[in-house]
Amino acid sequence: KQEVTQIPAALSVPEGENLVLNCSFTDSAIYNLQWFRQDPGKGLTSLLLIQSSQREQTSGRLNASLDKSSGRSTLYIAASQPGDSATYLCAVRNAGNNRKLIWGLGTSLAVNP
Amino acid sequence: SAVISQKPSRDICQRGTSLTIQCQVDSQVTMMFWYRQQPGQSLTLIATANQGSEATYESGFVIDKFPISRPNLTFSTLTVSNLSPEDSSIYLCSVAAGTGLNEKLFFGSGTQLSVL
Repeated sequence: KQEVTQIPAALSVPEGENLVLNCSFTDSAIYNLQWFRQDPGKGLTSLLLIQSSQREQTSGRLNASLDKSSGRSTLYIAASQPGDSATYLCAVRNAGNNRKLIWGLGTSLAVNP
Repeated sequence: SAVISQKPSRDICQRGTSLTIQCQVDSQVTMMFWYRQQPGQSLTLIATANQGSEATYESGFVIDKFPISRPNLTFSTLTVSNLSPEDSSIYLCSVAAGTGLNEKLFFGSGTQLSVL
């Protein structure tokens, strides 16, 4: 059974720092992995999607990597800003016909001015 | 991509009443998904809403408690019935856009429900 874990659960950094959020999964037979951002009390915004055959994806200051063999993905945020403060969630879609996503609990990020 | 309009954004309801949440998508989609996010927990899939057929519910969720309508390819509603304080959560609708390995989930802005 696929399980997704995100570490750390919470992170507080000063503005300008580069930071890494971690997502690990127990079953490497994945279809894709998606990173989302959620602002308090709000819906989710899709940030990056990495296909199972890809190693990384980049969008602006965000870079997501995928290492299927070790069951890990990282989200790298460069030059963090207060506006980056949010909860970051990763979700894994397993290979096969089951289209469900397996979700982590998220990392709550606070970037302090 | 897909743009989803979800309403209401929040509501405070009395025990025993019902709340209906609406989601409108800017394009036609085959499946819409309804999620619940309880405080401090991750997202849990309630059901998948297919146009022209009954919704498919996940284990632990039943149609009497969470009736869903899907009258066309751009619209769906989720009703949370006979509310209790345990139903206080964020409810989210989502759709999948793209194909194959590039299929992404897009979400509405969420409905924050508080039950007194």
